[in-house]
Amino acid sequence: AQSVAQPEDQVNVAEGNPLTVKCTYSVSGNPYLFWYVQYPNRGLQFLLKYITGDNLVKGSYGFEAEFNKSQTSFHLKKPSALVSDSALYFCAVREPYGAGSYQLTFGKGTKLSVIP
Amino acid sequence: DADVTQTPRNRITKTGKRIMLECSQTKGHDRMYWYRQDPGLGLQLIYYSFDVKDINKGEISDGYSVSRQAQAKFSLSLESAIPNQTALYFCATSEGLAGATDTQYFGPGTRLTVL
Repeated sequence: AQSVAQPEDQVNVAEGNPLTVKCTYSVSGNPYLFWYVQYPNRGLQFLLKYITGDNLVKGSYGFEAEFNKSQTSFHLKKPSALVSDSALYFCAVREPYGAGSYQLTFGKGTKLSVIP
Repeated sequence: DADVTQTPRNRITKTGKRIMLECSQTKGHDRMYWYRQDPGLGLQLIYYSFDVKDINKGEISDGYSVSRQAQAKFSLSLESAIPNQTALYFCATSEGLAGATDTQYFGPGTRLTVL
């Protein structure tokens, strides 16, 4: 069965500093990986996804994520954090085929707080 | 995402009441999903539908039912609400691309409180 772990419930970073939100996964075969962001009182917004190809994926709002197969990780990064990046971030995984390919499995979420 | 709308946005109800949450989309997507979000638990899939005639249970379907009235509409019902169904409910849609590259797009959510 596929699973996702976000080891940090909360990440605090100073404005202007680089940020990293961690995600590790477990899946049979090559994974399809996604990051979503949830702002207060809003739905989830799609940020980026990794399907195949370049391990560094660029997404919305200046975010990027690095796929590392040997470490089964897909960490979300941004070179310079903004206060407006403060939100709840979710990593999700899907198997490429089989029974798990219909279902997106989410991590528990990481709350990012960017301090002015 | 304004292309996926949910009604109501907030609802307070009492134990034992029947309640329906509605989702509509203008994205033209075939696939629709219902999730619930609880603090510290992420999102859990309740039901999903690949088209009007194809409805499937997700990981936590007990106590819920769904209806896919049209390609654009997917409603979630709680036949007899109980307090532990208090949660934030999200509808999502996806195009139904071959394989697992399909990206899901979420509505704004419905906050349900069962007293």
